[in-house]
Amino acid sequence: EAGVAQSPRYKIIEKRQSVAFWCNPISGHATLYWYQQILGQGPKLLIQFQNNGVVDDSQLPKDRFSAERLKGVDSTLKIQPAKLEDSAVYLCASRRTGDSEQYFGPGTRLTVT
Amino acid sequence: AQKITQTQPGMFVQEKEAVTLDCTYDTSDPSYGLFWYKQPSSGEMIFLIYQGSYDQQNATEGRYSLNFQKARKSANLVISASQLGDSAMYFCAMRDDAGGTSYGKLTFGQGTILTVHP
Repeated sequence: EAGVAQSPRYKIIEKRQSVAFWCNPISGHATLYWYQQILGQGPKLLIQFQNNGVVDDSQLPKDRFSAERLKGVDSTLKIQPAKLEDSAVYLCASRRTGDSEQYFGPGTRLTVT
Repeated sequence: AQKITQTQPGMFVQEKEAVTLDCTYDTSDPSYGLFWYKQPSSGEMIFLIYQGSYDQQNATEGRYSLNFQKARKSANLVISASQLGDSAMYFCAMRDDAGGTSYGKLTFGQGTILTVHP
């Protein structure tokens, strides 16, 4: 079974530019999560999808961050415009309904200069 | 609100010895799940072990065991027979099982860096 796929793995942009990250969850996993992990900290949930609907986006900075999962499979997270403090690893995770564990992708390391 | 505390920023252990990584949590929900993840320098989060709040026995997965003390709200990870490849960051996390809109959300601690010496 293929794991959670993310791309790109690394991205360097200047502040005020925009960037998009892509995630393809494990096949059959209805729940998809985007986490932000700032260096030296634990991951923090940005948004949670159940199929193509948003379940929790309470910690998503909606003035600059957006995410979608239009067909209930893969998902895109966008930042526009980026700030220096957005430098972090963005982790995508998925979970099968009824299971306990979330499976994480390799992450996208974003550097904003 | 849920809170996870890992008080050990770094731990050192000799190869082949056992090590305990501490984790305490705070929640008012009677139903919750506790997880440990390993994050090597490559960055991926690797699931290690899970303990449900109603599980009577401590969870074990190979060399990993979770010392669950519900009354003390602690969920320490024990790694037996440490290996050089165990050197990594370790995160304790709690899942909200209260249902509603936040079901499944993980709250992570700050992490503990484990270094295994040969």
